Amino acid sequence: DVKVTQSSRYLVKRTGEKVFLECVQDMDHENMFWYRQDPGLGLRLIYFSYDVKMKEKGDIPEGYSVSREKKERFSLILESASTNQTSMYLCASSPYGQGIGKNIQYFGAGTRLSVL
Amino acid sequence: DAKTTQPPSMDCAEGRAANLPCNHSTISGNEYVYWYRQIHSQGPQYIIHGLKNNETNEMASLIITEDRKSSTLILPHATLRDTAVYYCIVKPPERDDKIIFGKGTRLHILP
Repeated sequence: DVKVTQSSRYLVKRTGEKVFLECVQDMDHENMFWYRQDPGLGLRLIYFSYDVKMKEKGDIPEGYSVSREKKERFSLILESASTNQTSMYLCASSPYGQGIGKNIQYFGAGTRLSVL
Repeated sequence: DAKTTQPPSMDCAEGRAANLPCNHSTISGNEYVYWYRQIHSQGPQYIIHGLKNNETNEMASLIITEDRKSSTLILPHATLRDTAVYYCIVKPPERDDKIIFGKGTRLHILP
């Protein structure tokens, strides 16, 4: 089974802190994604990456950066955490070119971040 | 990506078949229908996908109408563990970027 592991289930940080959210996948997937999920707003894409050292902005990249130094690991960085970044953060991965009809992303369990 | 419409919530008795509808009247010819679900406090989980033929796997069956404007996800013998939000998504196969999750259907399995 594909496994996507997020380093923390729950995290509490203070305003202004630098926050690192780590995600590791064990299936040699090329694509990795970071979403945030908020009540009433659904899942929104923050950043994604097609390959090592490559990144693309999603819909809401402001206030975030990412790092992909190794294929299996995709990190989300909050440079200076703010209260409006309190949210559930979800990491996902998918293999590139899965073939016709397969746009399947595998998600981690999520990190619930509270910024105080 | 084409939009989908799902009922906000549904109830189903444990052990019965749960039939979750989805309308996608503007679906394009090359777009597939995907279903995911999200159990409370977990990440979304892929269930099944299809183009125009009915599909079945170990989790569920997917019935797509002949005109492809709607589909139904069937959980044949619902259990309490199937309580979740179910999302219907349409997407072309070559797009490897974000998945747009709508509001989905909150399925309650009743004991």
